[in-house]
Amino acid sequence: AQSVSQHNHHVILSEAASLELGCNYSYGGTVNLFWYVQYPGQHLQLLLKYFSGDPLVKGIKGFEAEFIKSKFSFNLRKPSVQWSDTAEYFCAFIHGSGNTGKLIFGQGTTLQVKP
Amino acid sequence: EAGVTQFPSHSVIEKGQTVTLRCDPISGHDNLYWYRRVMGKEIKFLLHFVKESKQDESGMPNNRFLAERTGGTYSTLKVQPAELEDSGVYFCASSQEWEPGAFFGQGTRLTVV
Repeated sequence: AQSVSQHNHHVILSEAASLELGCNYSYGGTVNLFWYVQYPGQHLQLLLKYFSGDPLVKGIKGFEAEFIKSKFSFNLRKPSVQWSDTAEYFCAFIHGSGNTGKLIFGQGTTLQVKP
Repeated sequence: EAGVTQFPSHSVIEKGQTVTLRCDPISGHDNLYWYRRVMGKEIKFLLHFVKESKQDESGMPNNRFLAERTGGTYSTLKVQPAELEDSGVYFCASSQEWEPGAFFGQGTRLTVV
């Protein structure tokens, strides 16, 4: 079955610590990969996406993610987190080569950054 | 530019009642999606409209759920009759054909008691 596994459900970090959130997807074909973020009280926002080309993708607010096809992974990283990064993070993919289609989400990772 | 808006933001209804959720996509977006997140679980796809046509409704849980998008603009999702397990956050998203990913609304939190 097509699915996304986010390994950490709840992460607590101090400000300036480095962040890496794991994401593995289950699908054998071509995928388009996404990380979304939901800040408290706000809507889901696109953080970054991978469609093709350079497997290291840079997004907003200093986040980046690396697509490793052999590992079916798309881990999210940030070198130094801030209190304002406190949010829930969702990894997702769309299968196929099209730009539309349903997103398949992971369970989400809640990040709490302590000031 | 206005984003995706959803009404209401919260709804508490009794089991057996009917609730209608509304989604207004970004103007000009042909693709409209409904998703649902049950507490503690992943966000799951419900269905996908392209303009007024249902492109994919494989995620609809059962026939108590009815989605419409008359005229290809806003969409409604009706749950009738509601059951306890229908509680969760219902998200709507929209996108252009050439735009990767989608823009999400803030969601409607539905509580069935």
